[in-house]
Amino acid sequence: ELKVEQNPLFLSMQEGKNYTIYCNYSTTSDRLYWYRQDPGKSLESLFVLLSNGAVKQEGRLMASLDTKARLSTLHITAAVHDLSATYFCAVDAGYGNKLVFGAGTILRVKS
Amino acid sequence: DAGVIQSPRHEVTEMGQEVTLRCKPISGHNSLFWYRQTMMRGLELLIYFNNNVPIDDSGMPEDRFSAKMPNASFSTLKIQPSEPRDSAVYFCASSPGTAEAFFGQGTRLTVV
Repeated sequence: ELKVEQNPLFLSMQEGKNYTIYCNYSTTSDRLYWYRQDPGKSLESLFVLLSNGAVKQEGRLMASLDTKARLSTLHITAAVHDLSATYFCAVDAGYGNKLVFGAGTILRVKS
Repeated sequence: DAGVIQSPRHEVTEMGQEVTLRCKPISGHNSLFWYRQTMMRGLELLIYFNNNVPIDDSGMPEDRFSAKMPNASFSTLKIQPSEPRDSAVYFCASSPGTAEAFFGQGTRLTVV
């Protein structure tokens, strides 16, 4: 059974600092997704990573995938308050796009 | 496209009552998912459909839960009878296949 682990689960950052969220998964998969969720809202797709070595960037966020290590990272550069949200990684379990989600990382950026 | 549409947005019901949640996926998407989100258990996949056929319902917590997808543009998740521990946010999501899932706004269910 596929297990997805994120760490840290809670991250409090100062504005302007850099940090990385990690997503490890337990079985082979080459499809990984990052989502953002604001309080009381739905999940918004951020990145789709579909192959080993994939790297995607959008603004201050950059995501990468290492399928051999079964690891994805979400790097935050020069954090701003608007990035405060919960970030989830989700891994395709291989059965027709069945996604297994990590527990989420609550990010709080302090000004 | 308006995205995945769920109704109702909020539902408050008494224990023992039947609850039906509704979902309209994005047109052209052939996969549909029902998720439940709680503080304690996070996001759990309850069931997913591919081309209107249930593929995996192993996440459905018990027989009180049932889901149907009578056609490509509509799905329901029913709880009968409802219990307080069913209180959660229920999300429906759809996907065009080997791509990310797009989520609806969710239904916040409170069972008192």
